[in-house]
Amino acid sequence: EDQVTQSPEALRLQEGESSSLNCSYTVSGLRGLFWYRQDPGKGPEFLFTLYSAGEEKEKERLKATLTKKESFLHITAPKPEDSATYLCAVQAGNQFYFGTGTSLTVIP
Amino acid sequence: DVKVTQSSRYLVKRTGEKVFLECVQDMDHENMFWYRQDPGLGLRLIYFSYDVKMKEKGDIPEGYSVSREKKERFSLILESASTNQTSMYLCASSFAGTNQPQHFGDGTRLSIL
Repeated sequence: EDQVTQSPEALRLQEGESSSLNCSYTVSGLRGLFWYRQDPGKGPEFLFTLYSAGEEKEKERLKATLTKKESFLHITAPKPEDSATYLCAVQAGNQFYFGTGTSLTVIP
Repeated sequence: DVKVTQSSRYLVKRTGEKVFLECVQDMDHENMFWYRQDPGLGLRLIYFSYDVKMKEKGDIPEGYSVSREKKERFSLILESASTNQTSMYLCASSFAGTNQPQHFGDGTRLSIL
């Protein structure tokens, strides 16, 4: 069965404390993996697309990486404004599968 | 920048009412989607459309219908609203093909009383 699992469900970090979020997937025929940021009461905001194993994308303090079975979102020296829920989605064929997200809180 | 606009941020309706949620995108995307998002359940696909007048059922289509008469507009209809349809509704759009991300609107928080 195709599915996407994100871990941890919730993460609390001190400002400046780097960490990683995980997205593992079991799908046939990956056509893309996507990371989103969602703030409370708003829609998900697109961050990155990854397609090939070994691919990396960076934006400010965020770096996304992809292997054949999982993706990591690395957060370097996070700030309180990085607090949000981070969602991972996988495209297989014409289907999109979303994880349930990691809720990140960065404490000043 | 991609813009997906949902007609209402908050909506309160009564059980049995017919409810219309509207979504417009300005990027000439072929695909459009309707999701609902509930705590602990994540995003669940209700319907999607890959072309004008075309629609496909998602994971939870019961109690909903959709309409896509123009490429930029995708409507979600709750035929007879029930309290278990209280939720956050999210519209998204994307280009067709591989490696094309979905872009989301800000959502409509719908309460059915």
